[in-house]
Amino acid sequence: DIQMTQSPSSLSASVGDRVTITCRASQSISTFLNWYRQRAGKAPQLLIYAASNLHSGVPSRFSGSGSGTAFTLTISSLQPEDFATYYCQQSYNMPRTFGQGTKVEIE
Amino acid sequence: VQLAESGGGLVQSGGSLRLSCAASGFTFRSYWMTWVRQAPGKGLEWVANIKQDGTEKYYADSVKGRFTISRDSATLFLQINSLGAEDTAVYYCARIAIFGVIEGMHIMDVWGQGTTVTVSS
Repeated sequence: DIQMTQSPSSLSASVGDRVTITCRASQSISTFLNWYRQRAGKAPQLLIYAASNLHSGVPSRFSGSGSGTAFTLTISSLQPEDFATYYCQQSYNMPRTFGQGTKVEIE
Repeated sequence: VQLAESGGGLVQSGGSLRLSCAASGFTFRSYWMTWVRQAPGKGLEWVANIKQDGTEKYYADSVKGRFTISRDSATLFLQINSLGAEDTAVYYCARIAIFGVIEGMHIMDVWGQGTTVTVSS
């Protein structure tokens, strides 16, 4: 199975801050990498697919990059609705696997 | 475009449940579908996938032999048997969009609100 490891596990930030979350795969997954945001008590929402493609309706402050084993999600200017948990997920092969999550908290 | 799960509840260890996910607003038969679960306070765990026509199914090792994914013309199902405490979770269904004609990359682009399964001993 492909292991997905996110860092950090949590971070504190303020509205307007630039935030970067890293995701590493245990083997190369090309760009078969998606990012999701999950607000407390809600279902996950797709943000970025294929490593760098912004999903329809997602604000442009979100961006993704990377290929192979190393990926990043960047929020250019943190908004109140962005205080949530973020997950990366590989769709390179079965079983599908998620990172353990990165919780973004208010500083 | 909507997905609405139902069928969760409190069940005794060793029991069974059938979860449903009603789809609306899109051509259900054109999409792969998936179930993902989340134990209390934990991260997301992929459970199972099913192809558009039901001919291909994939399962996580943790549920293989106990869970069965299926579908009809407008509803996705998950039959869960031999439930244990480790199956206590919110169960989400999601639609899978495919990106790239060559790559065929699977993307979970629409999610339901989830249904809660609690297993008691």
